[in-house]
Amino acid sequence: KAGVTQTPRYLIKTRGQQVTLSCSPISGHRSVSWYQQTPGQGLQFLFEYFSETQRNKGNFPGRFSGRQFSNSRSEMNVSTLELGDSALYLCASQNQAGYDTQYFGPGTRLTVL
Amino acid sequence: DQQVKQNSPSLSVQEGRISILNCDYTNSMFDYFLWYKKYPAEGPTFLISISSIKDKNEDGRFTVFLNKSAKHLSLHIVPSQPGDSAVYFCAASGVDSGTYKYIFGTGTRLKVLA
Repeated sequence: KAGVTQTPRYLIKTRGQQVTLSCSPISGHRSVSWYQQTPGQGLQFLFEYFSETQRNKGNFPGRFSGRQFSNSRSEMNVSTLELGDSALYLCASQNQAGYDTQYFGPGTRLTVL
Repeated sequence: DQQVKQNSPSLSVQEGRISILNCDYTNSMFDYFLWYKKYPAEGPTFLISISSIKDKNEDGRFTVFLNKSAKHLSLHIVPSQPGDSAVYFCAASGVDSGTYKYIFGTGTRLKVLA
């Protein structure tokens, strides 16, 4: 099976712009989670989607939003970008929720200037 | 409030010796724990896991120990190899007030010296 893919791999934006990141999970996986990784902060949970429904949400401002399509592909959107949004954004897929291993994509490196 | 903590941001170990990475958690609802390894420019990959009904799980050179009373888990790598140099994240999962949680620690950067 193909792994988790994320596009684009790298992005450079300026403050105030908005950005959309895409994630295609492993075929058959219905759960997609998004994380933000910054130095010293580990993996900060953004949200999780399961069968097109947001099931879980982390402590991020409303500028961060997401959605999941019927084919389980997911997108994450960040509006009104701030310098502090510069990070590696990772998505992970699971077969189902719960105790399944999460399979991560390579991430999208976002730089906000 | 960091519910899963890895208090050592970095660790250096000589090749062939044991590497011990530690992780503490605060919420007793966590009942399944995992370790992931991350190389630069790649996403984390699953390494080993343990259920709360066990106190030890072994897979080759990797062993995870769980001390539920202390809310502490550790990953032992024996013997350590240069290819083990990476960032290691622990993760804890469980159901809290009807909501499923899967929380990662801040990571420990392991450097194995040849």
